[in-house]
Amino acid sequence: AQTVTQSQPEMSVQEAETVTLSCTYDTSESDYYLFWYKQPPSRQMILVIRQEAYKQQNATENRFSVNFQKAAKSFSLKISDSQLGDAAMYFCAYRSTSGGSNYKLTFGKGTLLTVNP
Amino acid sequence: DTEVTQTPKHLVMGMTNKKSLKCEQHMGHRAMYWYKQKAKKPPELMFVYSYEKLSINESVPSRFSPECPNSSLLNLHLHALQPEDSALYLCASSQSPTSGTSTDTQYFGPGTRLTVL
Repeated sequence: AQTVTQSQPEMSVQEAETVTLSCTYDTSESDYYLFWYKQPPSRQMILVIRQEAYKQQNATENRFSVNFQKAAKSFSLKISDSQLGDAAMYFCAYRSTSGGSNYKLTFGKGTLLTVNP
Repeated sequence: DTEVTQTPKHLVMGMTNKKSLKCEQHMGHRAMYWYKQKAKKPPELMFVYSYEKLSINESVPSRFSPECPNSSLLNLHLHALQPEDSALYLCASSQSPTSGTSTDTQYFGPGTRLTVL
């Protein structure tokens, strides 16, 4: 079974600075998808960014980018020019592409990001 | 448009009550999901419907009864709940993994905060 580990329960960053959230995963599969979701206090889970494992190019979405290291099974999220609205719980998630498991998202435990003004 | 709506936003019920949660999406997605989320924890998958048929039941107690009347609607019927069932209930939808689309990203609704007294 796949596992996702977020080793930083909490992180903080100053407004306008850059912060990197860590995520590692364990899988024996070669093809899969990885996601970062954001859940602010308003509680809605919002997709931040996604990465297909077969793509070597790191995904970017405005101020959000990932560092995907397939061999190391690492998928970190970098937030540039942090804004107060970035404060939230961030979940890293894995999705298989095979069989019945391809419906399931395996989540990490989350990293609570605080943005200081 | 990536909107998933859920009603009600908040629900308080006694252990002998019967209530229902409702989820709706108009993105043409054919897979819909129910998750349960406790505070500061990642979501836990409960049920998956694919093409209006129950595909996955993660050994959820029978006091939770899902229903998918059509491809846009998903209900969760609640009966004889316990206080430990108090949680945020999230609905999500995605294009079915069998549809041949590449990423099949899950999009979440804002959730229903359930309190069982």
